[in-house]
Amino acid sequence: AQSVAQPEDQVNVAEGNPLTVKCTYSVSGNPYLFWYVQYPNRGLQFLLKYITGDNLVKGSYGFEAEFNKSQTSFHLKKPSALVSDSALYFCAVRDSNSGGYQKVTFGTGTKLQVIP
Amino acid sequence: EAGVTQFPSHSVIEKGQTVTLRCDPISGHDNLYWYRRVMGKEIKFLLHFVKESKQDESGMPNNRFLAERTGGTYSTLKVQPAELEDSGVYFCASSPGTGLYEQYFGPGTRLTVT
Repeated sequence: AQSVAQPEDQVNVAEGNPLTVKCTYSVSGNPYLFWYVQYPNRGLQFLLKYITGDNLVKGSYGFEAEFNKSQTSFHLKKPSALVSDSALYFCAVRDSNSGGYQKVTFGTGTKLQVIP
Repeated sequence: EAGVTQFPSHSVIEKGQTVTLRCDPISGHDNLYWYRRVMGKEIKFLLHFVKESKQDESGMPNNRFLAERTGGTYSTLKVQPAELEDSGVYFCASSPGTGLYEQYFGPGTRLTVT
């Protein structure tokens, strides 16, 4: 079975400071990892994904994520936070061993609050 | 390109009533997914269509939920009869193919059962 954990319900960071939103996963095969963001009253928007290759993945809006196989983590990062980054962030995983099934498992979400 | 749309955006019904949610995927996307998020919890998978066929319905909570995708275009999710624990936000997503594609989400339907 595949699972995702986002250990922090909320992360507060000052504008201009670097931010990190944590995510760890569990799969039986190789992980396909995703980050999505949800702004108020909007659907989830895709930020970035890791499938294979370089462990550092760059995505939309200046975000990046680092895949760490030994720690089974895929933390989301940004060098300098903006107030407009304040939103709900979801980490998601799909197991390469899931056969024909495309089910993606999401974490519980982390609310990011960027303080001006 | 129009995104995934969902209707209604919000529905308030009484316990025992029926509600039908609709999802229009991005044109040309064969894969359509339904998810649900109950307050403060994770987004849970409900089911996956490939065109009009149900590929995986392992996340459907019980037989009060019925999903259809006639003609392989839009999809409906009917809850009959609704219970209090069905309250939450129902998301629909679509993707152009299987494998490694990301999914494109709609804005969700907030269902409140009173």
